[in-house]
Amino acid sequence: DAKTTQPPSMDCAEGRAANLPCNHSTISGNEYVYWYRQIHSQGPQYIIHGLKNNETNEMASLIITEDRKSSTLILPHATLRDTAVYYCIVLGGTSYGKLTFGQGTILTVHP
Amino acid sequence: SQTIHQWPATLVQPVGSPLSLECTVEGTSNPNLYWYRQAAGRGLQLLFYSVGIGQISSEVPQNLSASRPQDRQFILSSKKLLLSDSGFYLCAWTGTGNTGELFFGEGSRLTVL
Repeated sequence: DAKTTQPPSMDCAEGRAANLPCNHSTISGNEYVYWYRQIHSQGPQYIIHGLKNNETNEMASLIITEDRKSSTLILPHATLRDTAVYYCIVLGGTSYGKLTFGQGTILTVHP
Repeated sequence: SQTIHQWPATLVQPVGSPLSLECTVEGTSNPNLYWYRQAAGRGLQLLFYSVGIGQISSEVPQNLSASRPQDRQFILSSKKLLLSDSGFYLCAWTGTGNTGELFFGEGSRLTVL
């Protein structure tokens, strides 16, 4: 599976959009981009995933560049409860859900 | 709806003692099951996964073992705990087939003294 690079930390004001970047320059054609988050002392929570097209659900939007070498997770209106570690994971179609978590980005939403 | 349960939530054990962490999934059949560990200040590491009863794959060599005696039950065990086994243990499941959408339990925090 391709490796990912994320900034170690980011800040965001409450009510503003949080844009979390992820680089995955070695991604291959059958690999998906997944985003999870982990609030302190809890299990990770699935957010969204995509292959080529941009995706949106009730939690977030995922923007994948045309060359698929990077992506951005967007939380449109961040709240204090969105403070968490956000993980960008690239997963191939034959990986049976075996996720490799890096260090992620610590997002702090402040009032 | 599907739910996942882990217990115990917190455990303090002496070095050399045995360990048993249990995970059960409700509301689904034939799930893929996973054990992850998060050591202090580190990322999550996949320890074991299972695609069916009695089928266990180990991702890293270690002092732990896993078993799947029933379709929706996954157990993490050790005969003799080490200090380095301390951590936050998470069970997760996903549906059949290849998918990265895992559903995690609330975790079991193990401290080995």
